[in-house]
Amino acid sequence: AQSVTQLGSHVSVSEGALVLLRCNYSSSVPPYLFWYVQYPNQGLQLLLKYTTGATLVKGINGFEAEFKKSETSFHLTKPSAHMSDAAEYFCAVSDRGGNKLVFGAGTILRVKS
Amino acid sequence: GAVVSQHPSRVICKSGTSVKIECRSLDFQATTMFWYRQFPKQSLMLMATSNEGSKATYEQGVEKDKFLINHASLTLSTLTVTSAHPEDSSFYICSARLAGGTGELFFGEGSRLTVL
Repeated sequence: AQSVTQLGSHVSVSEGALVLLRCNYSSSVPPYLFWYVQYPNQGLQLLLKYTTGATLVKGINGFEAEFKKSETSFHLTKPSAHMSDAAEYFCAVSDRGGNKLVFGAGTILRVKS
Repeated sequence: GAVVSQHPSRVICKSGTSVKIECRSLDFQATTMFWYRQFPKQSLMLMATSNEGSKATYEQGVEKDKFLINHASLTLSTLTVTSAHPEDSSFYICSARLAGGTGELFFGEGSRLTVL
């Protein structure tokens, strides 16, 4: 079975500050890992994904995440927050067959001006 | 990128009526589509996996007679909430998996159902 834990249901940063959203996963098989963003009353948009290869993954809008197997983590970062980054972020894990995507509880990011 | 469209985006209905939500993959064929339900301030919970031409696979605790799923073509899956009640009010999101991809899902815009 797979599971995802996102530490912190709410994160608040100042505009221009570093964004760090934490995600730890549990998987009995090598995982695929994803970060999605959701704006109010909208579906989810893929930010980035890790499948194989390079453990530092770059995504859209300046976000990146690093897969750390030893720490079972896949934290999402962005060097400088922008007001438009305010949204809810979901970390997700699937097996390599992509048969199911298991989501974390989500982290709401607030960006202060 | 691949586009998934849901319709309607919002629907309000009376208790006891049935509501159909459509999920279409606009520019790719999706042999597998997934239906999620999202309660306010909560994560997405997988309801069922829909495979084209076969019966949907429901997650534990999801009433298959209440939430009817049909995946009649490679680009369309429908979710029908039968005899809806206020507790069925929720945000329903579909997603489609790109065939041959790496498990990445493309999500629809979601459909907000309000049952009065």
